[in-house]
Amino acid sequence: DGGITQSPKYLFRKEGQNVTLSCEQNLNHDAMYWYRQDPGQGLRLIYYSQIVNDFQKGDIAEGYSVSREKKESFPLTVTSAQKNPTAFYLCASRSRASSTDTQYFGPGTRLTVL
Amino acid sequence: AQTVTQSQPEMSVQEAETVTLSCTYDTSESDYYLFWYKQPPSRQMILVIRQEAYKQQNATENRFSVNFQKAAKSFSLKISDSQLGDAAMYFCAYRSLGYYNQGGKLIFGQGTELSVKP
Repeated sequence: DGGITQSPKYLFRKEGQNVTLSCEQNLNHDAMYWYRQDPGQGLRLIYYSQIVNDFQKGDIAEGYSVSREKKESFPLTVTSAQKNPTAFYLCASRSRASSTDTQYFGPGTRLTVL
Repeated sequence: AQTVTQSQPEMSVQEAETVTLSCTYDTSESDYYLFWYKQPPSRQMILVIRQEAYKQQNATENRFSVNFQKAAKSFSLKISDSQLGDAAMYFCAYRSLGYYNQGGKLIFGQGTELSVKP
């Protein structure tokens, strides 16, 4: 089945630790995105990548890092510099060549800081 | 910068009835996309409907339709014949096609929690 997978579904982090959230897609989409969802605030863009080996900061990139070594994969690292990382993280992808121009989302990862 | 506002944090509808969710947005652009996404308790974001700003005709998808008022910058979602499975958080989203595009990012409203009563 074509789609976007995220792992793990739940992740717990201790203070001072870096953690990496996985995002994989087999839709052959060029562009990939990471959003953060907090209660009452909707989704906010962390990072995005339009092609392999290139990525750009979104609106709330501080304390996060990404890589895009393969078209299918766009992992997000939450570093110890992120002061309030507890949130729900959603990965999305989009085909730049598609006329529908729609972002599709993965199932998300819930990160909790202990 | 563009903003999206959903002024109804919660809405409720009786099964089989019709409900309308409101969304307003602020932009200086003339060409853009608007979306409604549904997020059920599983938290998977599911596209409900999409509207291109250059199209005057309102988009429809089965029981879902929009009322797109470009001059008023309003984009409401109407759900007809509501079903129990429609219960979810609904998000309105804007996508710029111009300078503020940022790779096609979506700008989301705060969401409206819809409950459906049997």
